[in-house]
Amino acid sequence: DTGVSQNPRHKITKRGQNVTFRCDPISEHNRLYWYRQTLGQGPEFLTYFQNEAQLEKSRLLSDRFSAERPKGSFSTLEIQRTEQGDSAMYLCASSLSGGRSHNEQFFGPGTRLTVL
Amino acid sequence: AQSVAQPEDQVNVAEGNPLTVKCTYSVSGNPYLFWYVQYPNRGLQFLLKYITGDNLVKGSYGFEAEFNKSQTSFHLKKPSALVSDSALYFCAVRDGGYQKVTFGIGTKLQVIP
Repeated sequence: DTGVSQNPRHKITKRGQNVTFRCDPISEHNRLYWYRQTLGQGPEFLTYFQNEAQLEKSRLLSDRFSAERPKGSFSTLEIQRTEQGDSAMYLCASSLSGGRSHNEQFFGPGTRLTVL
Repeated sequence: AQSVAQPEDQVNVAEGNPLTVKCTYSVSGNPYLFWYVQYPNRGLQFLLKYITGDNLVKGSYGFEAEFNKSQTSFHLKKPSALVSDSALYFCAVRDGGYQKVTFGIGTKLQVIP
């Protein structure tokens, strides 16, 4: 399967701990997005990368959140000093600029974070 | 700021009947509009998009949507519903000048056999 993959699929952590999630986009996709989805809501945009450059960042992304895409391929999302309100599904998506599928985002299965 | 409204939490339709899932949007610039579907325990899947051109766009699985600029709407439609269409449907919008996509809260479609 050459779709978007995310690891881990589930993460349970204690409040105050740091967590890191990984996203591997579709290999030729140059754009990568992170979203957060809570129960009963649609995905909320967190941040966007074009290649290795982080070009857009939501105000939802507090100082405890940081995302990287060092080589323009996989990306990591780190949450420091987790809080119970961080419990959510974290979704990654990728897309290719230009071409027939321009503007279509392909989503991964998500990482479900539970903060105790 | 951009926003999406999906006024119906749930839509019930009998199998074989036409279905409509409503969406209205607000955006400052040119709207790029999308529909995604989420099946239980599966990731979001792209259905269709409107960027420019014909107001009626056709997508996957027989779905289509009509862009109405004056009503700022982008309703999802299908002429004949299938039980397998039962899922959660999300409308989304972005301003053409940016990559941030704003999703609605979703509408649960239930197709009754």
